[in-house]
Parts: sequence; structure tokens; C-alpha cells
Amino acid sequence: GEDVEQSLFLSVREGDSSVINCTYTDSSSTYLYWYKQEPGAGLQLLTYIFSNMDMKQDQRLTVLLNKKDKHLSLRIADTQTGDSAIYFCAENDGGATNKLIFGTGTLLAVQP
Amino acid sequence: NAGVTQTPKFRILKIGQSMTLQCAQDMNHNYMYWYRQDPGMGLKLIYYSVGAGITDKGEVPNGYNVSRSTTEDFPLRLELAAPSQTSVYFCASSSPQAGTNEKLFFGSGTQLSVL
Repeated sequence: GEDVEQSLFLSVREGDSSVINCTYTDSSSTYLYWYKQEPGAGLQLLTYIFSNMDMKQDQRLTVLLNKKDKHLSLRIADTQTGDSAIYFCAENDGGATNKLIFGTGTLLAVQP
Repeated sequence: NAGVTQTPKFRILKIGQSMTLQCAQDMNHNYMYWYRQDPGMGLKLIYYSVGAGITDKGEVPNGYNVSRSTTEDFPLRLELAAPSQTSVYFCASSSPQAGTNEKLFFGSGTQLSVL
């Protein structure tokens, strides 16, 4: 079945770059997503990438997709304390109902 | 602009009690979803609906029921609460269109403890 895996925790210093990694298994996914969850809140879509792209840049965010290895990464440049949150990658299941399959989430802790 | 509204925000249940988690969206979205979030486990899909009158099971449907009598509302029912249902529950909605990404809008969650 489909599976999406992430490392559980990442700690960086303010101003450094953060790289959060994700691996997925469903090669029929058409889109891959990064969601951000702040404490006590629901998830919010940060960015997404279409499966035929290998890179997407959006201000401080860079998404890299290696479709051959089924590897997705999110790079946050100049990480700020406000970036501290849980980050989830997700893939759509490629089926008619386009359900999303979420990873386990990576807790990003930004040290001042 | 309310988006997706979930009630209650917190609830404590005794084993065997029942309750309904409410979810409403005002964006006229056809697709609605219920997820549960457990520590270190990510989000698991419980049930989903692609429109009024249509519901289907997700990955972890056992112990839950849903209904979708209107486009706006998608309540989740727990009939006989068990400790394994202690979790944070998120409702989400989307309006997928061909050739576009499926952005999910999430509610703020319901934290449920079954003791």
C-alpha cells in the first residue's frame, strides 16, 4: 500500500537553512504537498509540486522532487523562530477521489 | 470568512459513551474528510465524502460512522467510545478540479480523550 515516511525531528539555529526530507511509494501521484501545523491548529498548505517538475521555488521555500527515487524535500532558507512547527509531506493517491496520504510529520525546532 | 468549523474543541468521554463531532464548511466544497492524528503517526483518513449523500471508508473507519445530508455538514459519530479512540480529530474540505492541485482546508481540530 501507499506509505509516506519522514524523520520525526529536526533542530536548527535561527538564520540557518532547514531541509526536511520525505519518501513516498505511490508512483501514480500527480501532486506532492507540504503542509505546516502550528501548535493547537489544523494543517495549512505551504506549497505543492506537480509530479512532472523537479524543483519549485516560492520565496524562502524550495521544493525538490526526485521522482526516480521517490524523494521529496523542503528547504527553508533563513529559518526563523516562527517557522517552528510540524511539517507534513503528502501525496495524492492518484485515484478518482484524490485522497491525500500524509507522512508522519517532522517537528522543526528553531533555536534563537 | 469561517472556512471549516469544528466543534467541540475538547471533550472527555467515558468508555462506552457516544458522541458526535461536528464539522461544517461554508466554501461550497464537495469533498470532505475526517482524519485522526496520533503522535508520531501522522494523519490517518477515517471517512470521506465526495458530495451530499455519498460517503466512503478511509484507512481507519472501525468504530466510527458518518453522514452527509448536506454539502455543508459532515458529522462524525462515535457509538461506543474506546480508549484507542483518544486522538485529535481533524475535519477537512476541498474542491478538486481536473488539472489543479487539491488544496485541503482544515478545521482547528477536536481533542478527544476516552477514559
